[in-house]
Amino acid sequence: QKEVEQDPGPLSVPEGAIVSLNCTYSNSAFQYFMWYRQYSRKGPELLMYTYSSGNKEDGRFTAQVDKSSKYISLFIRDSQPSDSATYLCAMRNTGRRALTFGSGTRLQVQP
Amino acid sequence: EAQVTQNPRYLITVTGKKLTVTCSQNMNHEYMSWYRQDPGLGLRQIYYSMNVEVTDKGDVPEGYKVSRKEKRNFPLILESPSPNQTSLYFCASTGTRDGELFFGEGSRLTVL
Repeated sequence: QKEVEQDPGPLSVPEGAIVSLNCTYSNSAFQYFMWYRQYSRKGPELLMYTYSSGNKEDGRFTAQVDKSSKYISLFIRDSQPSDSATYLCAMRNTGRRALTFGSGTRLQVQP
Repeated sequence: EAQVTQNPRYLITVTGKKLTVTCSQNMNHEYMSWYRQDPGLGLRQIYYSMNVEVTDKGDVPEGYKVSRKEKRNFPLILESPSPNQTSLYFCASTGTRDGELFFGEGSRLTVL
């Protein structure tokens, strides 16, 4: 079983929809949780960064971490065609810089 | 512009022919690492370097070598490439322990 599980999609939604992306994990030592966005033929870029449990909001994006359930989510409000990309969750524990990534969810926002 | 630069971006080679993928960052970052990305497996760390002359294995180091002679450069070396090393490779760097990991644009390698 993988340490981090992520539904690969693809997920297709109409423009303006609310999108929910999720990851589950098995390592209870993970303390730092991230979401990266990767456009086609590009490297991943950091979208959201959360430490421990709780919510974090940045514009149309909200990241949630529920450590008790080992479950993290990324919500995108008012989705735009420019949000079409692969979204990767990533996490790590304290003292280790290497990230453990999910396999990514491909999102397509239809105009 | 702050960036991580990888070369080549695309490469097709044959089994056993040594190759090097270069990586350079202009952000004065101490920490650099290499990942490979494969369908269904996500990104997996190959090697990392905490500073000049300090390197260590990641999760999938077999068949790869690295060196860190200068702070800005961190080349990935495949001494004898095999088809199972066909993948998309990313170099990344960060300047702080909890800071953002900056990725290069990727190098797509095909080994025939």
